Amino acid sequence: GAGVSQSPRYKVAKRGQDVALRCDPISGHVSLFWYQQALGQGPEFLTYFQNEAQLDKSGLPSDRFFAERPEGSVSTLKIQRTQQEDSAVYLCASSREGQPQHFGDGTRLSIL
Amino acid sequence: AQSVTQPDIHITVSEGASLELRCNYSYGATPYLFWYVQSPGQGLQLLLKYFSGDTLVQGIKGFEAEFKRSQSSFNLRKPSVHWSDAAEYFCAVGYNTDKLIFGTGTRLQVFP
Repeated sequence: GAGVSQSPRYKVAKRGQDVALRCDPISGHVSLFWYQQALGQGPEFLTYFQNEAQLDKSGLPSDRFFAERPEGSVSTLKIQRTQQEDSAVYLCASSREGQPQHFGDGTRLSIL
Repeated sequence: AQSVTQPDIHITVSEGASLELRCNYSYGATPYLFWYVQSPGQGLQLLLKYFSGDTLVQGIKGFEAEFKRSQSSFNLRKPSVHWSDAAEYFCAVGYNTDKLIFGTGTRLQVFP
């Protein structure tokens, strides 16, 4: 497709379960970003890849959060042992070098 | 610390009226500045960006923004609002096109 694609759009999990969120960036975009958007807030940076290299993971809230982009294209954000405070919309963005970020529609994660 | 402030949480205007959404930032270097719009259940769409040069920038959907370095501001304007402009608006800053720091957003409501 032409845009950033994220799946699933909605995910409901029980507290303590592991979840995996997928992001398909725009073809040719070397940079990929993950953001977390809590209800009523602006997005907050989680992590950043340039190709397959994770250059910045300073925003990951705990060691339960893990992101990868093994072939420099699709990325997966994994959250282990989910907790209620992990409930949020997770946004993925991609960009060409030096260009603005294009965002996907996000994955809404609800932890029960 | 780097931050973005959007002082207005919620703004209501009549269709056809002019609009100005405020954004102030605190950033150590010359920032890259962005305005994004988010409709319910969707990702963020780029309205406009400022990297350098002319401080008045034009964007999509008839929006414009003016960078005022002395006031650390990047306010978004539109001369005549349409009902379809109702959405959440986010101001963001970054260095180069690295990770973005977002404000908390301004919700725009448009009355007929």
